[in-house]
Amino acid sequence: DAKTTQPPSMDCAEGRAANLPCNHSTISGNEYVYWYRQIHSQGPQYIIHGLKNNETNEMASLIITEDRKSSTLILPHATLRDTAVYYCIVREYGNNRLAFGKGNQVVVIP
Amino acid sequence: DTAVSQTPKYLVTQMGNDKSIKCEQNLGHDTMYWYKQDSKKFLKIMFSYNNKELIINETVPNRFSPKSPDKAHLNLHINSLELGDSAVYFCASSPPGLGATGELFFGEGSRLTVL
Repeated sequence: DAKTTQPPSMDCAEGRAANLPCNHSTISGNEYVYWYRQIHSQGPQYIIHGLKNNETNEMASLIITEDRKSSTLILPHATLRDTAVYYCIVREYGNNRLAFGKGNQVVVIP
Repeated sequence: DTAVSQTPKYLVTQMGNDKSIKCEQNLGHDTMYWYKQDSKKFLKIMFSYNNKELIINETVPNRFSPKSPDKAHLNLHINSLELGDSAVYFCASSPPGLGATGELFFGEGSRLTVL
């Protein structure tokens, strides 16, 4: 069962930053937040993960609130190729299960 | 080089038939998985093997039988196919416990259509 809540869909403007919210109010202290995305007809792709500090990599930034009950994935300059379903997942470190919820269908609009 | 490769990519078959989907990974990972994505796009884990040993077995009909001849391969055999088995099946691999990053490496999926 997914332990996260995301909007079912959202639109973003090409070239602008895309801020994707996720609520995980029941997250426990040893659980990490992961983000994956699935571009149409492809396998899901890992984006980023974090525990409590903000994280950044070449794909995105992850901002986790201080109480860890929510997070935001930021795509700094959205492109049309970022159109995908984005999944926010909570997982205990070392657990082999990644439980994908319904995700957020993000459409980048020219 | 494709890291996680599945064959076939598309499979159309009749109800009652038996079919197999093969998966191979060249990442040197110990752990492999099968996920099922149904028509509503829900992605659910079915099985996981770690170094040829079954470690996750979700509530899946016993018509589904995974087989891992070695740690680089995890095949999925389905007996007596039913209409509800129509879905996209994804193979994935990772280090044990999903490693330090929690990254799963997915294949491109195998779309099964049962008529």
